[in-house]
Amino acid sequence: AQSVTQLDSQVPVFEEAPVELRCNYSSSVSVYLFWYVQYPNQGLQLLLKYLSGSTLVESINGFEAEFNKSQTSFHLRKPSVHISDTAEYFCAVSRGGATNKLIFGTGTLLAVQP
Amino acid sequence: DTGVSQDPRHKITKRGQNVTFRCDPISEHNRLYWYRQTLGQGPEFLTYFQNEAQLEKSRLLSDRFSAERPKGSFSTLEIQRTEQGDSAMYLCASSFEGDIYFGEGSWLTVV
Repeated sequence: AQSVTQLDSQVPVFEEAPVELRCNYSSSVSVYLFWYVQYPNQGLQLLLKYLSGSTLVESINGFEAEFNKSQTSFHLRKPSVHISDTAEYFCAVSRGGATNKLIFGTGTLLAVQP
Repeated sequence: DTGVSQDPRHKITKRGQNVTFRCDPISEHNRLYWYRQTLGQGPEFLTYFQNEAQLEKSRLLSDRFSAERPKGSFSTLEIQRTEQGDSAMYLCASSFEGDIYFGEGSWLTVV
């Protein structure tokens, strides 16, 4: 079985500062990894994913995440955040080769302050 | 592509009543998933369908919960004899052997 740990429930940061949201996973088999973002009162939107190949993946709005197999991590980073990035961010894992069930972490609230 | 649609978006019900949520997946998506999300928590997997076949059910899906996808298109999630602990957002998602797309969820409040 797979599991995901997001140790930080909330990360406050000032606008234009860099941020890192941490995600660690546990699995005995190969995995696919995902970051989803949830704005208030909305569903989840896929931000980026790692399936295979390059361990560094990027989103269209400046976020990136790096798959680190030895540390079983998939931390999300952005070099300069905007107010509009304020949202809940969820890390998720699925069994490699089968995106049929996502296991989510408990989420990290990114609170960007002016 | 109109996205995953869920109805109703909000439902307030009295304890003991039955409620039903509907999900319309993205057209031609053969996989459909139901998740439950409570405040401060990540979504928890409930069940998923491939076409009309229900392939997996979580232990969270008690006997009071039933999900159907009769024609392999829309799906319904029914909760019988609701309890206060059922208060949550119920998320539907769909995919076609690729990215999983979520709807905006159906909020359930049991009073």
